[in-house]
Amino acid sequence: QKEVEQDPGPLSVPEGAIVSLNCTYSNSAFQYFMWYRQYSRKGPELLMYTYSSGNKEDGRFTAQVDKSSKYISLFIRDSQPSDSATYLCAPSYNQGGKLIFGQGTELSVKP
Amino acid sequence: GAGVSQSPSNKVTEKGKDVELRCDPISGHTALYWYRQSLGQGLEFLIYFQGNSAPDKSGLPSDRFSAERTGGSVSTLTIQRTQQEDSAVYLCASSLGQLNTIYFGEGSWLTVV
Repeated sequence: QKEVEQDPGPLSVPEGAIVSLNCTYSNSAFQYFMWYRQYSRKGPELLMYTYSSGNKEDGRFTAQVDKSSKYISLFIRDSQPSDSATYLCAPSYNQGGKLIFGQGTELSVKP
Repeated sequence: GAGVSQSPSNKVTEKGKDVELRCDPISGHTALYWYRQSLGQGLEFLIYFQGNSAPDKSGLPSDRFSAERTGGSVSTLTIQRTQQEDSAVYLCASSLGQLNTIYFGEGSWLTVV
């Protein structure tokens, strides 16, 4: 079993749709849950992170963590074509250090 | 420079040749990381530097891969006797310290023919 599992997609949605991206992980010691966004031929950039369980909202983006089921989600409301990218989850002990990434989900938002 | 800088951005090399990839981290960042991203694969950790030391090099796939960091700044990843399976994007990242947010460069795209 991989330490972090993420459906690679691709996922295609119409503009304005609500998008749900998900990951599962196996290490119950993880406390930080990062989401990185990677545009084509660019490096990943940190989108947002949560600490421990619960929800965190940032504009149109909501990150959700359920530590009991080792399940993390990223929701995008009112999706825009500019959201088209690959989204990578990275649960970890810290914000930094050696990160174990999911495979990434490729999202395409069609106008 | 404001971000992590990597060079070359693209490299095509013949099988069996050696290649060097360079990373210039964000000024003041003591931690530096190398990751590899192959087609259809996620980001794979290669090595981590704190200052000039590499306390974790567990991700280097074989002894053909090596990395060094000098002056607590620039790092070089060297791949000897390249193989076709080495074709990938090599991403460098840095952070203020081990516990801080990691910032990635745009990667060096390596193609071995």
